[in-house]
Amino acid sequence: ILNVEQSPQSLHVQEGDSTNFTCSFPSSNFYALHWYRWETAKSPEALFVMTLNGDEKKKGRISATLNTKEGYSYLYIKGSQPEDSATYLCAFIKDSSYKLIFGSGTRLLVRP
Amino acid sequence: ETGVTQSPTHLIKTRGQQVTLRCSSQSGHNTVSWYQQALGQGPQFIFQYYREEENGRGNFPPRFSGLQFPNYSSELNVNALELDDSALYLCASSLSGRTYNEQFFGPGTRLTVL
Repeated sequence: ILNVEQSPQSLHVQEGDSTNFTCSFPSSNFYALHWYRWETAKSPEALFVMTLNGDEKKKGRISATLNTKEGYSYLYIKGSQPEDSATYLCAFIKDSSYKLIFGSGTRLLVRP
Repeated sequence: ETGVTQSPTHLIKTRGQQVTLRCSSQSGHNTVSWYQQALGQGPQFIFQYYREEENGRGNFPPRFSGLQFPNYSSELNVNALELDDSALYLCASSLSGRTYNEQFFGPGTRLTVL
């Protein structure tokens, strides 16, 4: 059984705070790791597709790092804004398979 | 470029009934995956279709079945509904062989089984 764990489960921060979340996944047979942002009543939206150990990706105030040897990825949000409020999901792909294995997400609420 | 759409948005059924959920893939995508998201959990992979053939399946019973049509739209059918089938059902389209299986999701269909 492949487990993808995300922590924390939820997070409440003040506008302007920086925050980070963790995604842990099996370190063997790694193929790719995806991050998605999912706002309420909308479709999950891909943030990053990460494939190489040591990858660092950035989109605006959001960035992510990847460590495939130890099986974790961090997502960072710098200077959180209320519009960053969403659930952030990571998904692991093993062995170039077709299947995304999702964690249960981190729900972020940014208070104005 | 149109995004992924799903219908209906919400659906209420009773135990034992059958349901069909529909998905229209993003233009140009030849692969569709279906996921079930129960309350408090991440999406769970049901199956994937590529060029109208099932390409892989998660741990779901045979009463969950699917179809993909030549225009790459697809259906998820669930027979003999059970209370535990109440969930959000997401479809996602992708282009096989590109970008490490990056998927484009629809907004989901919320199914309630009474």
